[in-house]
Amino acid sequence: DAGVIQSPRHEVTEMGQEVTLRCKPISGHDYLFWYRQTMMRGLELLIYFNNNVPIDDSGMPEDRFSAKMPNASFSTLKIQPSEPRDSAVYFCASSFALSPLHFGNGTRLTVT
Amino acid sequence: AQTVTQSQPEMSVQEAETVTLSCTYDTSESDYYLFWYKQPPSRQMILVIRQEAYKQQNATENRFSVNFQKAAKSFSLKISDSQLGDAAMYFCAYRNSGNTPLVFGKGTRLSVIA
Repeated sequence: DAGVIQSPRHEVTEMGQEVTLRCKPISGHDYLFWYRQTMMRGLELLIYFNNNVPIDDSGMPEDRFSAKMPNASFSTLKIQPSEPRDSAVYFCASSFALSPLHFGNGTRLTVT
Repeated sequence: AQTVTQSQPEMSVQEAETVTLSCTYDTSESDYYLFWYKQPPSRQMILVIRQEAYKQQNATENRFSVNFQKAAKSFSLKISDSQLGDAAMYFCAYRNSGNTPLVFGKGTRLSVIA
């Protein structure tokens, strides 16, 4: 079991550019979550999916943020256009039924 | 909405000593789950311990144990025989009985002094 895999590990981009973060959940897991971590706000849920279907996206901060899960083994979080305040660590996590969440190692995004 | 509060932004402990991290939560549910996650400088989120609300017995995992007080809505983490590798951010988290997302506290940064 390779765990939840996120890429890239680090991303540095300029304001206004499009950013795409990627996640491969653990095989067999039916829930996928995207969280954002900042010093000021801690860990915030952005969106989560069940069986590839978005269940709750109320945490997505603005229309600049979008997430997709085209199949059970892949999800993306896209920011377009990016802004400096989007700088944070973005975590993907997956779980099966009532099992605890398994987190990826996160993507540190820096927008200059 | 459920909330999780960690009132200690930072704590420190001497190596080999015991430390307790506090967590309180607010919910109207009777069935739920509570967790402690550890985040070392590598930023990986590691599950330390979990507690089911319907269980009266406090969960224990080696040197880690919890004091779960359901009526008081309190869920503290005790680390015994602290080791240098325990230095990390610790997050308390709550989840309803359905597979709803985790709600996290703001975290407590634990330093271990040699």
